[in-house]
Amino acid sequence: EVQLVEAGGGLVQPGRSLRLSCAASGFRFDDYAMHWVRRPPGKGLEWVAAITWNSDIINYADSVEGRFTISRDNAENSLYLQINNLRPEDTAFYYCAKSGFSRSYYEYFENWGQGTLVTVSS
Amino acid sequence: QLILTQSPSVSASLGASVKVTCTLSGGLRNYAIAWYQQQPGKGPRYLMKVNRDGHHNKGDGIPDRFSASSSGAERYLTISSLQSEDEADYYCQTWGTGIHWVFGGGTKVTVL
Repeated sequence: EVQLVEAGGGLVQPGRSLRLSCAASGFRFDDYAMHWVRRPPGKGLEWVAAITWNSDIINYADSVEGRFTISRDNAENSLYLQINNLRPEDTAFYYCAKSGFSRSYYEYFENWGQGTLVTVSS
Repeated sequence: QLILTQSPSVSASLGASVKVTCTLSGGLRNYAIAWYQQQPGKGPRYLMKVNRDGHHNKGDGIPDRFSASSSGAERYLTISSLQSEDEADYYCQTWGTGIHWVFGGGTKVTVL
C-alpha cells in the first residue's frame, strides 16, 4: 500500500524558514516524479513544485519561484520542501503527491498524503 | 484567462445524480484531465483521468457510481446514487509542458 506522510508544519513568523518532509513507502520511490501541492484556508488546490525521479528536472509555480526549494533523497525514500522568507499568504495545508506513472513527468497525481499545516503569523 | 473553469457549487438529493463540469480554455480543449475528491479534513483522492474522447481510467477502489465523460472542451464527472460521504470538494486538473500542472477552482458538492 502506498503511503505518503508529511511532517514539519507549524506556526512560524513571517520571514522565517521551514523545511517540510514527506516519507514515502509502498512503492519504488526512485521511479516516480513527486510533487508538493498546497491548499490555503478557504481556497482551492495549488500546485507548488515538482521533481523528477532522479532530480534531473525541477519546476516551480510562479508564486513560489525563488523562495521554495524541492528536493529528494531516494536512499531515504523522502521528499522535501524548503520554504524561505515565509509570507502570510503561504499559510496552507501542504500535501505531497506521487505521479501516476513510473518515469513519466507530466501526469496526474495518483497518491496523496494527509497534509501538514503551515501557519505564517506574527 | 483561466485554464480550467469549474462552477463553485452544486447540490442534489441523497440517492440522486449530480454532474460536475470542468471547462478547458480554448487552446487546451484536447487535453486530458484528472478528477480529485477532497473530503473535509482529508487529503485529496485521485478519482480518474478523462481523455478528450471520454475514455477514463479510474483509481483503485473508486466506486462504479463515479463516472466521467467529455464533450469538446468540457469534461464531466457524474456521481450517481449520491451518498452522504460524497459531500466534498471536487477538483479537475490538467498538465503539460508550458503549463506544468493546473487545478480548477473546485466545485463543492452538497448532498441534500
